[in-house]
Amino acid sequence: QSVLTQPASVSGSPGQSVTISCTGTSSDVGRYGLVSWYQQRPGKVPKLMIYEVTKRPSGVSNRFSGSKSGNTASLTISGLQAEDEADYYCCSYARVTTFLFGNGTKVTVL
Amino acid sequence: EVRLVESGGGFIHPGGSLRLSCAASGFPFGDFSMNWVRQAPGKGLEWVAYIRESRGAIYYADSVKGRFTISRDNAENSLYLQMDSLRHDDTAVYYCARDWSYHFDNWGQGTLVTVSS
Repeated sequence: QSVLTQPASVSGSPGQSVTISCTGTSSDVGRYGLVSWYQQRPGKVPKLMIYEVTKRPSGVSNRFSGSKSGNTASLTISGLQAEDEADYYCCSYARVTTFLFGNGTKVTVL
Repeated sequence: EVRLVESGGGFIHPGGSLRLSCAASGFPFGDFSMNWVRQAPGKGLEWVAYIRESRGAIYYADSVKGRFTISRDNAENSLYLQMDSLRHDDTAVYYCARDWSYHFDNWGQGTLVTVSS
């Protein structure tokens, strides 16, 4: 089972926007509208930030948004804040393999 | 409040067995599918196993297929992971995670499994 491809790191200054890509295949990201994103701060448990490509759970800031085009999903963080510094993982349902995670992206606030 | 509490982790030699448990509370456990997700030290997340709410469907990652067994006891609000033939690369923090429409909306704090000779 392969993982979804994410950039190892992205960075931005406070107030800026950053976008994290998550590239899969036509068997996972491209086939199902079941991409989710998780934030993991150092030493903490992963937290659901986006589900079903674009939906935000209650309590998650509207500065976080998701999208998808073809086999690539994206997470955009607008108005970057120091508290957004964390690792972010995408995940897609993939039927036979069931769930695939991305390799993770470290977001640094400069 | 949804609460998931894992237990059973520890130090084990290669080839050994370990059984993890996850105690659930704060929601109707029997109505939700559940998963195990692991994270090796300094590495990313890896999905391990899934069990449907009614125990009708079970799936495993290729890396653990044939060695790990997921199960649940809805009467006890508990999820389990029996891990046999453990290898060095099974060393990780193991999280139980509630499944809601094919995403993981609640996670436990995790339990560390260390496989070492």
